[in-house]
Amino acid sequence: KAGVTQTPRYLIKTRGQQVTLSCSPISGHRSVSWYQQTPGQGLQFLFEYFSETQRNKGNFPGRFSGRQFSNSRSEMNVSTLELGDSALYLCASSFFSEMNTEAFFGQGTRLTVV
Amino acid sequence: AQTVTQSQPEMSVQEAETVTLSCTYDTSENNYYLFWYKQPPSRQMILVIRQEAYKQQNATENRFSVNFQKAAKSFSLKISDSQLGDTAMYFCALSDDKIIFGKGTRLHILP
Repeated sequence: KAGVTQTPRYLIKTRGQQVTLSCSPISGHRSVSWYQQTPGQGLQFLFEYFSETQRNKGNFPGRFSGRQFSNSRSEMNVSTLELGDSALYLCASSFFSEMNTEAFFGQGTRLTVV
Repeated sequence: AQTVTQSQPEMSVQEAETVTLSCTYDTSENNYYLFWYKQPPSRQMILVIRQEAYKQQNATENRFSVNFQKAAKSFSLKISDSQLGDTAMYFCALSDDKIIFGKGTRLHILP
């Protein structure tokens, strides 16, 4: 069974631009979560989608948004990029129940904002 | 609000020694899961061990075991007979309705 796939693996963008990251979950998994990982802040929860609906949201500004498609693939968008958005963005999928019993992670997208 | 705290930013131990990584957490839920994840230098985050809060017995996976103290909200990871391949960032995580991670402990296994 294929794992969680994130594309692209690396990205360099300029301040003010926008970016879209993609995540394809493990087949059969209906929940997709996104995390921002930085050396200083660790892994911070961005949001979680289940059945095309945002189920949970972390404390990030509105510039960070996401969506999920009917095939459970998810995209994350960041508009008006800032230098501080440089980070590793991780996506995780799980077979959703009322509680997430395990998350399977992709290899991440390394975003560099210059 | 959920919180997960890992008080050891970095640790180093000699190969074959035993090491314990600390984690404390807070949640208002009575039913939840706790995890330890490992992130090697290659970046892929992988699950090391999982503990259901309603189970009193501590989880064990080969050389990895946990000490789960529910009343104290403590969830430490013990790695026995440590190996060079155990070198990684280790994250403690709590799941009730979403999964929240601690800031991680960077573990170095020295030859």
